[in-house]
Amino acid sequence: DTEVTQTPKHLVMGMTNKKSLKCEQHMGHRAMYWYKQKAKKPPELMFVYSYEKLSINESVPSRFSPECPNSSLLNLHLHALQPEDSALYLCASSQGGTGGYEQYFGPGTRLTVT
Amino acid sequence: GENVEQHPSTLSVQEGDSAVIKCTYSDSASNYFPWYKQELGKRPQLIIDIRSNVGEKKDQRIAVTLNKTAKHFSLHITETQPEDSAVYFCAHLASNTGKLIFGQGTTLQVKP
Repeated sequence: DTEVTQTPKHLVMGMTNKKSLKCEQHMGHRAMYWYKQKAKKPPELMFVYSYEKLSINESVPSRFSPECPNSSLLNLHLHALQPEDSALYLCASSQGGTGGYEQYFGPGTRLTVT
Repeated sequence: GENVEQHPSTLSVQEGDSAVIKCTYSDSASNYFPWYKQELGKRPQLIIDIRSNVGEKKDQRIAVTLNKTAKHFSLHITETQPEDSAVYFCAHLASNTGKLIFGQGTTLQVKP
C-alpha cells in the first residue's frame, strides 16, 4: 500500500459542531503531518507527529486538536470552528522522523464551516 | 532564513515547448529540495526531488537543477503536454526545524 487515505472527502459543519478528520497510512512511515491549504496557496503546516509524539505545533488555535492513536492513524478533532477555517485539510506522511524524507500527501478533506 | 521565492507565478506555453520554474532560498544549510504538482481539486503530488550532493536529476521529461552557491533550484519540463497543466510548488527542507518550506506556486497552462 503506497497511499495516504483521508476521510471524509467533504465536510460541512456549523460553528457549534464537533467533527473529526481521519488519516491513515500503511507505508510504515513514522512521521505524519496536518496541513491547511487555501485555494491557489501552498500548504501551511499545522502539526507534526514523529514516532507518535507531537513534535511541532505551528501555534494552531485550540479549536483544532490533533491525535495520533498509533503509527498508522492521525486524527484532527474540530470544535467551534470559524468560517475562515474553511479550507482543504491535507494529511501527509514520511519515512522516519521529520526532515530529509519524501512527504506523501493524502487527497484531503474539503471543509466548509457555515 | 526559511523563505523560498518562486517565479513566475503564472506560465503559459504551447504544447511541445519547454517550461522552466525557478526558486530561490536563503537557508544555506538546507539539503533537500522537492517539487510538487497539484492538479485542480487533487492532492499535491511529489514529482521529483534533489538532494544537495548532486547538481541535476532527471526523470523522463522533467529535470531539476540545483545551484547551492547561488541558492536556487529550477524545474524543467520538456515537450510539455496539456496534462502538465497544474500548479507546481517548490519546497526546501529548513535545516533548523525539519519543516518543508513551500514556494507560493506557479500555475502552468499548456495550450494544445
